Amino acid sequence: SQELEQSPQSLIVQEGKNLTINCTSSKTLYGLYWYKQKYGEGLIFLMMLQKGGEEKSHEKITAKLDEKKQQSSLHITASQPSHAGIYLCGATMLTSYDKVIFGPGTSLSVIP
Amino acid sequence: DVKVTQSSRYLVKRTGEKVFLECVQDMDHENMFWYRQDPGLGLRLIYFSYDVKMKEKGDIPEGYSVSREKKERFSLILESASTNQTSMYLCASLPPGERAEAFFGQGTRLTVV
Repeated sequence: SQELEQSPQSLIVQEGKNLTINCTSSKTLYGLYWYKQKYGEGLIFLMMLQKGGEEKSHEKITAKLDEKKQQSSLHITASQPSHAGIYLCGATMLTSYDKVIFGPGTSLSVIP
Repeated sequence: DVKVTQSSRYLVKRTGEKVFLECVQDMDHENMFWYRQDPGLGLRLIYFSYDVKMKEKGDIPEGYSVSREKKERFSLILESASTNQTSMYLCASLPPGERAEAFFGQGTRLTVV
């Protein structure tokens, strides 16, 4: 089983709709990263959260980390075709904060 | 801008061949990582390195080895390539002790036939 779980596994939304992707850990996280990956390419950094309850936004993407630092959500408002790709959450754990592990990813398709 | 460069985007090798995947970063980061990415499994850590000549096994080190002779270069070696090592390989580097992002290369799609 994975240390980081993501849901949903895949998502198809109509352009303009809002969506949320979740990332859950059974252990307390040290830091939580969100990355986006265009199909077949490398990872693009979106945001990093470290404090419990922290929330960050960039353009139409908002990420939150819960108070217990075990769950994060990524919310996209008014989705666009450019948002399509694979969203990966990565994390460092309290016991190994220099090693980044990843969830399985969420594949997002945005249809016109 | 930080750059993490992987030597090849696409690679096709035969079963049993010795394969070298090279990764170079230009930001003097101590920590470097090799992951493989497979559908439904996400990124899985193969090996990582904290410093020159230092290496640690990740979650799936079997069939792989690594080399870190210089700080900027981290090589992944497939001693005898097998078809189940067909995958996308991603290299990353991370600044030490800072809560900053990990920087990724563009990936190498390796096919073993």
